[in-house]
Amino acid sequence: AQTVTQSQPEMSVQEAETVTLSCTYDTSENNYYLFWYKQPPSRQMILVIRQEAYKQQNATENRFSVNFQKAAKSFSLKISDSQLGDTAMYFCAFMKERTSGSRLTFGEGTQLTVNP
Amino acid sequence: DAGITQSPRHKVTETGTPVTLRCHQTENHRYMYWYRQDPGHGLRLIHYSYGVKDTDKGEVSDGYSVSRSKTEDFLLTLESATSSQTSVYFCAISESYGYTFGSGTRLTVV
Repeated sequence: AQTVTQSQPEMSVQEAETVTLSCTYDTSENNYYLFWYKQPPSRQMILVIRQEAYKQQNATENRFSVNFQKAAKSFSLKISDSQLGDTAMYFCAFMKERTSGSRLTFGEGTQLTVNP
Repeated sequence: DAGITQSPRHKVTETGTPVTLRCHQTENHRYMYWYRQDPGHGLRLIHYSYGVKDTDKGEVSDGYSVSRSKTEDFLLTLESATSSQTSVYFCAISESYGYTFGSGTRLTVV
């Protein structure tokens, strides 16, 4: 079974600064997918970024980027130029394969607060 | 937009009463899921469905049942609600790029 661990329950950052959220996972699979989801106070789950394990290049989406270290089973999220709207709970998630029916396994979440 | 709607959005119920949460999707997705979200645990899978009348258990299925009589509807039932089932419940569908979630139901069992 896969496990996902987020060791930082809470983090804070000043507006316009950079913050990195950590995530580690455990799996025996070689091909898999990793995700970061954002949950603002509205409760909606929003996909931030995804990474395919077979790709060596780290995924980037505007101000969001990941540092994917496959050997270390680490998948951190970097948020650059933090904005007040980035305040949210962030979940790291693992999926064994990109086919319909593959389950998502989530970490415990990190509550990020961006301060003005 | 996968067109997932959950109802109700909020519900308060008494211990021992049955409760049914509804998830409706508009795009004919085969796979549907029910997760619960609790502080310190992230989201955990309760049950999932891989087609009409085809369902299976997730990691926290005790006390829950599901039904899927139509492709578009996936129902989660708490036969006799307990305080430990106070949680936020999310429905989801899987697509090629990952999951899409409904807006969640906050259930409080008093």
